[in-house]
Amino acid sequence: DGGITQSPKYLFRKEGQNVTLSCEQNLNHDAMYWYRQDPGQGLRLIYYSQIVNDFQKGDIAEGYSVSREKKESFPLTVTSAQKNPTAFYLCASSPGLAGGPNTQYFGPGTRLTVL
Amino acid sequence: AQKITQTQPGMFVQEKEAVTLDCTYDTSDPSYGLFWYKQPSSGEMIFLIYQGSYDQQNATEGRYSLNFQKARKSANLVISASQLGDSAMYFCAMREGGHSSASKIIFGSGTRLSIRP
Repeated sequence: DGGITQSPKYLFRKEGQNVTLSCEQNLNHDAMYWYRQDPGQGLRLIYYSQIVNDFQKGDIAEGYSVSREKKESFPLTVTSAQKNPTAFYLCASSPGLAGGPNTQYFGPGTRLTVL
Repeated sequence: AQKITQTQPGMFVQEKEAVTLDCTYDTSDPSYGLFWYKQPSSGEMIFLIYQGSYDQQNATEGRYSLNFQKARKSANLVISASQLGDSAMYFCAMREGGHSSASKIIFGSGTRLSIRP
C-alpha cells in the first residue's frame, strides 16, 4: 500500500538529548514537510523540502534540523536547543510541481514527550 | 500575510443532520488553494476536499461539499447526513499560488465537531 509512515508512534526523551523522528513515503512525492501540533492548536510548519538535497525553514525551525538525502525519507532531529519539544509531530508529503493541487497527505504522527 | 480563521471552537450536531463548518481566509494573491482536513482522536490528518481559487464550481466529495464564496473570502465545509464517525477536529487550510505551487500551506485553529446519537 502507498502511504506515509512515521516511527516511532510514541517517543520519550530526557532533557538535553537529541532525538530523530523518522518519516518515509512511497508515494513518489517530491515535496515533504514537518509540522508541530500542540494540544488544542493547529499545525505549525517546521521545515519543508521540495526536492532531494534541498530544504527550507518553516515558521518554527529553531531547535530542529532535517536532511533530505533520499526522495522517500525526510527525518527530523529535535535538538537539545529546542526549549519546549513536547508535542505531536506530523510529517506530510505532496506531489510537488508535477501538476494538480499539490495536496499534502499526512503520516500517523509521532508523540514526543520530554521527561 | 496569509490568514485562516475558524470561529467555531466546538460544535454539537445531531446524527443525520447536515452541518456547516465556517472558514474565512485573507490573501492578496489571486491564485490560491483551499483545503479541509479531518483529524480524529488518533491524530492522523485526513484530506477531505480541495477548492482552487479559479474553480468555477464548488468542490464536492461524497458527503462533503465546499461552499466557496470568493467575494466574501469564505470556504465553509458542509457535511451532509452526519454520522457518529464524523466526530473529530476539522481544519481549514490555504496555500497561496496556483496549481502545482510548492508554497507552504497554513492551517486554521480548527473546529471540534461532536455528533450526538
